[in-house]
Amino acid sequence: GAVVSQHPSRVICKSGTSVKIECRSLDFQATTMFWYRQFPKQSLMLMATSNEGSKATYEQGVEKDKFLINHASLTLSTLTVTSAHPEDSSFYICSARVPSGSGEQYFGPGTRLTVT
Amino acid sequence: QQQVKQSPQSLIVQKGGISIINCAYENTAFDYFPWYQQFPGKGPALLIAIRPDVSEKKEGRFTISFNKSAKQFSLHIMDSQPGDSATYFCAADQGAQKLVFGQGTRLTINP
Repeated sequence: GAVVSQHPSRVICKSGTSVKIECRSLDFQATTMFWYRQFPKQSLMLMATSNEGSKATYEQGVEKDKFLINHASLTLSTLTVTSAHPEDSSFYICSARVPSGSGEQYFGPGTRLTVT
Repeated sequence: QQQVKQSPQSLIVQKGGISIINCAYENTAFDYFPWYQQFPGKGPALLIAIRPDVSEKKEGRFTISFNKSAKQFSLHIMDSQPGDSATYFCAADQGAQKLVFGQGTRLTINP
């Protein structure tokens, strides 16, 4: 299967600071990437759809000014959590859709964010 | 109508047994049904997927059964092994837009 990486895998930051998470498709070009958030023992919650070269589409209830998404190239999307608060602590996972039109999505390993 | 309902929430199976996880959906426009396996602290990994034009797909010990009329699909894991212990998510997609996930099933295989 296709490979998607995320960096960092784990980050601890202080309340009020910003954190950037990178998502890369390593062996394919992805015009569309997705950002999810997952709470313990729960399913994946889609936050936004990231399209290369255009603005991200956010799901209802997700603050676009707080979770900034940039998809500057066909292999890289970034999620910046701005002015982080302890309630933003979570497991953030990205995925990338293969360009074949099949709908297949491959997920990154996730980033554990802890805000103190 | 966009929901995918998954059951059971948790499942315990003896080693060598068959694990069965079920999902049901309402949106008949869904045209892609993948299953993902997730280990603690890791991202989900695509296991197997099916489209509604076939009723069954098998890859190794993993089989998807698809019932279009009942709007249900299931994952069967044959000869279940302790290494299969993980959380499994079914999902559905319409026109390669975005995945709608089930609630997840925590599978435990007892040795």
